[in-house]
Amino acid sequence: NAGVMQNPRHLVRRRGQEARLRCSPMKGHSHVYWYRQLPEEGLKFMVYLQKENIIDESGMPKERFSAEFPKEGPSILRIQQVVRGDSAAYFCASSTRDTYEQYFGPGTRLTVT
Amino acid sequence: QQQVKQSPQSLIVQKGGISIINCAYENTAFDYFPWYQQFPGKGPALLIAIRPDVSEKKEGRFTISFNKSAKQFSLHIMDSQPGDSATYFCAASNAQGAQKLVFGQGTRLTINP
Repeated sequence: NAGVMQNPRHLVRRRGQEARLRCSPMKGHSHVYWYRQLPEEGLKFMVYLQKENIIDESGMPKERFSAEFPKEGPSILRIQQVVRGDSAAYFCASSTRDTYEQYFGPGTRLTVT
Repeated sequence: QQQVKQSPQSLIVQKGGISIINCAYENTAFDYFPWYQQFPGKGPALLIAIRPDVSEKKEGRFTISFNKSAKQFSLHIMDSQPGDSATYFCAASNAQGAQKLVFGQGTRLTINP
């Protein structure tokens, strides 16, 4: 019963380094969403992807952030030149094409030192 | 217009009591309203959801009440138990868009034994 998988679960990066977060959707799910949760806050939408397509990236910061969902393999959220303000929990969710329900992974907690 | 406002921020209820969390939205294009439960260090888990064509949905001890004219919806937890202690998020999405979820700020619920 594989749910949404994310790795790593915890990631520590120094300022200026790159962070790569991975997400494998639930079996049969072709839609992937990334959300960010700052401490003591709600989740904020970042990007919505289908295989090989970015559908909506309206929540992505204009610089340093990128996302992909290749034909094979997991979805990747990439943060270049991380800053302390990037420290947060990053959650991936997946859904099928025909339903509204989004199921979340356990998240990656990024700490920038 | 994309905001979802959630209240209260925190709530303490005695075991066996009824927990009530409220949300309000502005965007009339929203047509899917889920509630998520999140435990510390975990990802949000889909609890229950409603579409605007019904005014109430019940699943076990959890009930969503929906008031389309007031643009409000609420979560009721009957016979609240200590295991229900968690943070609850309401959300909304618009199927005509990219189905991204807009989240409320969350309610930290504590059930006292």
